[in-house]
Formats: sequence, structure tokens, C-alpha cells
Amino acid sequence: GAGVSQSPSNKVTEKGKDVELRCDPISGHTALYWYRQSLGQGLEFLIYFQGNSAPDKSGLPSDRFSAERTGGSVSTLTIQRTQQEDSAVYLCASSLAFGSYNEQFFGPGTRLTVL
Amino acid sequence: DQQVKQNSPSLSVQEGRISILNCDYTNSMFDYFLWYKKYPAEGPTFLISISSIKDKNEDGRFTVFLNKSAKHLSLHIVPSQPGDSAVYFCAASARGGADGLTFGKGTHLIIQP
Repeated sequence: GAGVSQSPSNKVTEKGKDVELRCDPISGHTALYWYRQSLGQGLEFLIYFQGNSAPDKSGLPSDRFSAERTGGSVSTLTIQRTQQEDSAVYLCASSLAFGSYNEQFFGPGTRLTVL
Repeated sequence: DQQVKQNSPSLSVQEGRISILNCDYTNSMFDYFLWYKKYPAEGPTFLISISSIKDKNEDGRFTVFLNKSAKHLSLHIVPSQPGDSAVYFCAASARGGADGLTFGKGTHLIIQP
């Protein structure tokens, strides 16, 4: 069966440009999560969606980051005016329902490089 | 401030022996702990978990031990196999997962033949 997919797999952009990262969760999964992994660091939680709603956006690193989810499926993470410190692997995960006990299935990630 | 710490960036173990990966945490609100395994260019995959009401959970070759008083957990892999070579992440959650998972930096396990 299809797992979580993310696109693009790699993105190289210039400082100051906007980028949009896409996540396709597993069909039927109502919860969706975004994480990022900077070089040499663990995964850092950014935001989660229950359905189309993101109850808490405080994990987003700055107001240049935004995320949306439509139709309870695809989600996009947008970074405006990218900076070099935004370079990281951005990972998306989905789970059948929201909550600690629901296994999160991860996508392969999008490697973002800001020059 | 890192709330989940994996102090060994790498660990080398001979095939067939026991691998022990360690993890420490500081947030006493964590009530659910997980181990994820990650191969290069792939997302992490869930391995095993444990609730704070337990001190041990076993699944085949994998056992996770939780010592709440020491805020420490460990993953035991017995016997270690070449396919176990990967990066292992310890993760924890609180508040029913409302803050997502908090991950450690990972330990690169290398199984030597």
C-alpha cells in the first residue's frame, strides 16, 4: 500500500525566495504532522493537523512558516523569504488518529538547501 | 535545551551480540516513549514503544526498558543482525501528543560481521 509521500525530494533555493513543500498522507489518516531535522540534530516538531485544523501553531520557527491542509488530505508547508538556517530535511508523518498511541508513519522527507 | 538526550552518537556491536541503546529525558510530563529506526534517505519507522505505567515492553528481538525515577530508557536488541545497522531515535510525548514527538539526536548503530 502507499505510504506517506513528499515532494519535492530535494529543493535548492536562493535566500529570500519562497518555497512550498507538499505532503500526501496515507489515505484515511486524519492526523498529519510536520517535523524538520537540521544537520546533526534530532527531529524538531513543527505543527500537527487534526483533519484540516491546526490547533497549535506555536512550534513553527517563525512567522515566515505557514502550513495548511485541505480536504483532510494533502498538506503544504510554506516558507517565505527563506534563510540559510531554514536548510534542513522536512519530514511529514501521518497517523490514523491523533494521539500519542497512534503510530506515526513518516515520509522520506524533503531536503531543503538555501544558498 | 534538549529534553530527550542520546549521548552516544554511534555504537558498534558484533553480529549476534546484544545492542543496548540509551536515552535520557528531562521532562517529567512525558508519559509515552518510542523508538524509531531510520535508514539513509528514508523516513523514520516505528520500532517499539512503552507507556510510563510500564517498565518493560518486548517485541521479538527488541525490548525497551523504562526507569522513571532515573528518567532513562534503553532499547535492547538481541541478537543483533546486520539489517539492524541504522540510526535509532528515541522519542517521547506528553499531553496526549499535543506537542508532537520530541526526538533525541539519534544513535548510529553499526553491526559488524
